[in-house]
Amino acid sequence: RKEVEQDPGPFNVPEGATVAFNCTYSNSASQSFFWYRQDCRKEPKLLMSVYSSGNEDGRFTAQLNRASQYISLLIRDSKLSDSATYLCVVNDYKLSFGAGTTVTVRA
Amino acid sequence: DAGVTQSPTHLIKTRGQQVTLRCSPKSGHDTVSWYQQALGQGPQFIFQYYEEEERQRGNFPDRFSGHQFPNYSSELNVNALLLGDSALYLCASSSPSALEQYFGPGTRLTVT
Repeated sequence: RKEVEQDPGPFNVPEGATVAFNCTYSNSASQSFFWYRQDCRKEPKLLMSVYSSGNEDGRFTAQLNRASQYISLLIRDSKLSDSATYLCVVNDYKLSFGAGTTVTVRA
Repeated sequence: DAGVTQSPTHLIKTRGQQVTLRCSPKSGHDTVSWYQQALGQGPQFIFQYYEEEERQRGNFPDRFSGHQFPNYSSELNVNALLLGDSALYLCASSSPSALEQYFGPGTRLTVT
């Protein structure tokens, strides 16, 4: 079983829509989680950390469900600039990445 | 404040050759991690350096080696290159007090 598995997508949504996707992780002892964003042929950039109580950063909301070992990301009021690959990341001394979920926001 | 920098940007090598990639961490960061990202995949952890020593290592063969210098910069060396080593090599740095890692722009290695 892979350490981190994600909805591969792609998710193709109109501007202004809400899009949400999940990832699951295998190590129940994992303590810290992140969402990174990666644009085509660029480096991953930290989008947000994911806290146990869930957290929000503007239009982005991250949730953590420890019992079911999944993490979710929700994007509200999608913008064209949100088009990217979103990487789910678990930090167990090293970063373990999912393969990414591709989101395309269309005009 | 400079972020993580890597050199070179692109590199083309032939099978069997050796390559050295370089990374300078973000100011204030002392830990450097290296990742390999194949096309369509998430980055895979190679190893991490702290206090000039390899602290952790992923599932990569001994052909992959590294070094960290007193100024915290780091090198990744790959010997006996294979076609399958073609990938984007990413360096990430972090500070002692935080879990987040910040990535450099990467080195795109092509092995022919």
